[in-house]
This record gives sequence, structure tokens and C-alpha cells, in this order.
Amino acid sequence: DTAVSQTPKYLVTQMGNDKSIKCEQNLGHDTMYWYKQDSKKFLKIMFSYNNKELIINETVPNRFSPKSPDKAHLNLHINSLELGDSAVYFCASSQALAGGPRWTGELFFGEGSRLTVL
Amino acid sequence: AQSVTQLGSHVSVSEGALVLLRCNYSSSVPPYLFWYVQYPNQGLQLLLKYTSAATLVKGINGFEAEFKKSETSFHLTKPSAHMSDAAEYFCAVTNYNQGGKLIFGQGTELSVKP
Repeated sequence: DTAVSQTPKYLVTQMGNDKSIKCEQNLGHDTMYWYKQDSKKFLKIMFSYNNKELIINETVPNRFSPKSPDKAHLNLHINSLELGDSAVYFCASSQALAGGPRWTGELFFGEGSRLTVL
Repeated sequence: AQSVTQLGSHVSVSEGALVLLRCNYSSSVPPYLFWYVQYPNQGLQLLLKYTSAATLVKGINGFEAEFKKSETSFHLTKPSAHMSDAAEYFCAVTNYNQGGKLIFGQGTELSVKP
């Protein structure tokens, strides 16, 4: 069983389109994240949710809208896609919110969704 | 603010040679430190982590790292490289007041020559 799964794995689309990436974790974790990996492989956090509540919004353009219907799912919707949005998007989860008694700091990552905007 | 610097974007070693990947961090509070590995077209996999216990941390696949507070370093080593170790390696830092987010270094690509 895949612990953190993302769909689709590959996404090719035109500028101006809207697209979504879905993420699900079956680890029973409370906290989920979206990271963006650019062409130079640099990883940067975009958002985090804890039990459906937004915790981190790292100055991401508002064309990006995360949605967490429950604590096992965190989806990413992107409006009006731009060339600069081309990247690999990683979903991740952690057991608990930072600072809590169950927090270990470790993140579990999905395999990534490669978005190419033409 | 926290940050991580990985020295060397690309390291090349011969099979059987020592692997040393360098990581220095900056943190105003006690850090949690991690090394992750990324194989081509895959997600990130945890190699090892330091969370304020033993300063010498052993991980998977024969890797280990030593936390040195005085040098603000967390270098990754492996005594003998295998071809299968070729991958991208990321050092990362977090702490209890960062909302759980990991701050990553720029990554180091490890090549292993036969």
C-alpha cells in the first residue's frame, strides 16, 4: 500500500488552463503539505494543513488554492496556469503538528506530480 | 530564520570510496535535522534524522551523520559507496516553532563511478 499517493503523476497543459492535483495519505497522519520542486531541484514549502485547517501559506500566488476535505486528503488546484508553474509538486504528511507530543519532525513524501505548462 | 547550506551541488566518487556530503545549518533554537534521498523520478525517502538525542545518527543503507553544534554541521557519510547510491541528497532542518515545515538545502547530486 502506498503511504502518500498523488494523482496524476504527469500533467501537460496549456497556459491559462486550470488543473488539480490530488493527494491522499493512509498513514493516519494529522498534517499534510504541498512542496514545489523547481527545475534546479530546489524544494520549497507551499502550504500545510492540520486536520483540515490551514497552518502554513508560504506567500504562494492566490492562483493556487489548496483544499482539504478531510485529514487524509489535500488537493491542490491551480488557476490560470503560467509557464513558471512548471515544476514537480510533492505532497507530504507528518504524524502531528509541530510542537505537539506526537511530533517527530519527519515528513513522508509522495512520488510527485510533474506539471508541464506549454 | 532557519537555513541549510549544502556544500557542493555535485559530488563524484568511485565505487568503494568514502562518501562525504556536507551540510551546514542555521537555527536560533535547537534544530531537528534530516537527510533525504531522491532517486530519479521518485519522491523523497528519509535516510536518517537527528532530534536532540545521540549526536551520531545511523540511517538506512549504511549512511550515518554526526551533529556538531559547535560547527553547525550535519555531514552525511558512508564508508564505501555503491553504484546504487547514485541519487540526489537533501539536508533539511526544522524545529518546534516552524509549523512543521522542513527547510531544505539545495541538494547534492552524488555520482558513483565503477
